[in-house]
Amino acid sequence: GENVEQHPSTLSVQEGDSAVIKCTYSDSASNYFPWYKQELGKGPQLIIDIRSNVGEKKDQRIAVTLNKTAKHFSLHITETQPEDSAVYFCAATSNAGGTSYGKLTFGQGTILTVHP
Amino acid sequence: DGGITQSPKYLFRKEGQNVTLSCEQNLNHDAMYWYRQDPGQGLRLIYYSQIVNDFQKGDIAEGYSVSREKKESFPLTVTSAQKNPTAFYLCASSPRQGSSYNSPLHFGNGTRLTVT
Repeated sequence: GENVEQHPSTLSVQEGDSAVIKCTYSDSASNYFPWYKQELGKGPQLIIDIRSNVGEKKDQRIAVTLNKTAKHFSLHITETQPEDSAVYFCAATSNAGGTSYGKLTFGQGTILTVHP
Repeated sequence: DGGITQSPKYLFRKEGQNVTLSCEQNLNHDAMYWYRQDPGQGLRLIYYSQIVNDFQKGDIAEGYSVSREKKESFPLTVTSAQKNPTAFYLCASSPRQGSSYNSPLHFGNGTRLTVT
């Protein structure tokens, strides 16, 4: 099955700096890679996703890059703000059918702290 | 407002008792999922259901049971056979996954279960 590794486990930055979180995946059939943000006591919320037919996607201060050859993808947050402080999860899945159909495999999470 | 409602937010039980966690969605989504979250381990899939009256085991189904009698409801029972039931439980839903696309998951705000 799929295995997703996420680094770093904690990340501390100053307000205005950039933050980068990296994930690697093992299943070359995976073709959908969402990123979730989880605030304390709440469920994860989708912030951006990318499919395997594109290499980069951007939404305001957030961007995701995908390298299919190396099987890794990254989340980039620019001009960080204190409200960006949360736990971030990457995930991967394949729509290849069978028992993995629609199942997301999550990374271990990154605790991002943005200091004012 | 459409969304996923998990109740209760906090649940306390004695060891040896079964407990059922509620999950209701009014998003008209076909698929529903249960994840377990432990510190430093990301989210792990317990059970998922693509359609009413059908469900499949996830990666850590032992000690859990589910039912899907209605499209909007997917309750999870944590049985006394689950060795380490204390955790944060997240319910999610999505439109039915297709053969050529994946849809993001929408999460509830979770139930924190403590078993003593």
